Amino acid sequence: ETGVTQSPTHLIKTRGQQVTLRCSSQSGHNTVSWYQQALGQGPQFIFQYYREEENGRGNFPPRFSGLQFPNYSSELNVNALELDDSALYLCASSLRIGQGNEQYFGPGTRLTVT
Amino acid sequence: QKEVEQNSGPLSVPEGAIASLNCTYSDRGSQSFFWYRQYSGKSPELIMSIYSNGDKEDGRFTAQLNKASQYVSLLIRDSQPSDSATYLCAVNWGFQKLVFGTGTRLLVSP
Repeated sequence: ETGVTQSPTHLIKTRGQQVTLRCSSQSGHNTVSWYQQALGQGPQFIFQYYREEENGRGNFPPRFSGLQFPNYSSELNVNALELDDSALYLCASSLRIGQGNEQYFGPGTRLTVT
Repeated sequence: QKEVEQNSGPLSVPEGAIASLNCTYSDRGSQSFFWYRQYSGKSPELIMSIYSNGDKEDGRFTAQLNKASQYVSLLIRDSQPSDSATYLCAVNWGFQKLVFGTGTRLLVSP
C-alpha cells in the first residue's frame, strides 16, 4: 500500500508569485483534503476534492484553488502570494464511504514567502 | 463557528506514567473524533479514531468520548520518551473538513 506523497518538500517564493503544490493520494482512497498549518497552530481546512469536484471549502480566499485528477491526485494553487501564506501545507487522503472519513496526511510542503 | 479546544501544555509526565490529554468541542452535531500525533517538523499521524460514546483501546492508547459533555480524551499508558510530541484533537462534520485544536505538547521525561 502506497502512502500519501507530496511535492515539493520545501519551497521559497517571493510575495506576489504563484505556487503549485502536488499530492498523490494513498492507494484506494478517492478523496483529498488540503490543510494549512501555521507554526504553533492546528491544521486549518482549505478545501476537499471528491470525484474531481470541490466538496467543501474553508475560510480561504479565491486565490487558493485546486484540482483533482482522475487518478485522485490533486494540486493546490495559490496566486498572489502573501507573507502570511508561509506555512506547512498538508494534503490528506481518505476513502469516502460510510462513517469515519479517517484522513491520512502526507509529509507536507513547507512554503516560505519572502 | 465550530471550535475544538485543547490545553496547549506542555504536559510533563515521567516515563511509565499515564498521560491524559483532553479536548472539548462546540458543536453537538459532531460525528467523528480523531487523535493525531505530530512530531516537531513532521506531519500529523493518525493514532486513534472514535465514533461512539465510551472507551476505545488500541495498545497503550485509550480514547474516551462523552458526547453529552462534548468531551474527548486520550490516555497513554506506560508513557515513553518517544511519545513526546504534540497531540492534536480533530473533530469531523460529515464527510468534509476536520476541525483541529491547537494541540497539546506532551513531554515524557526518562
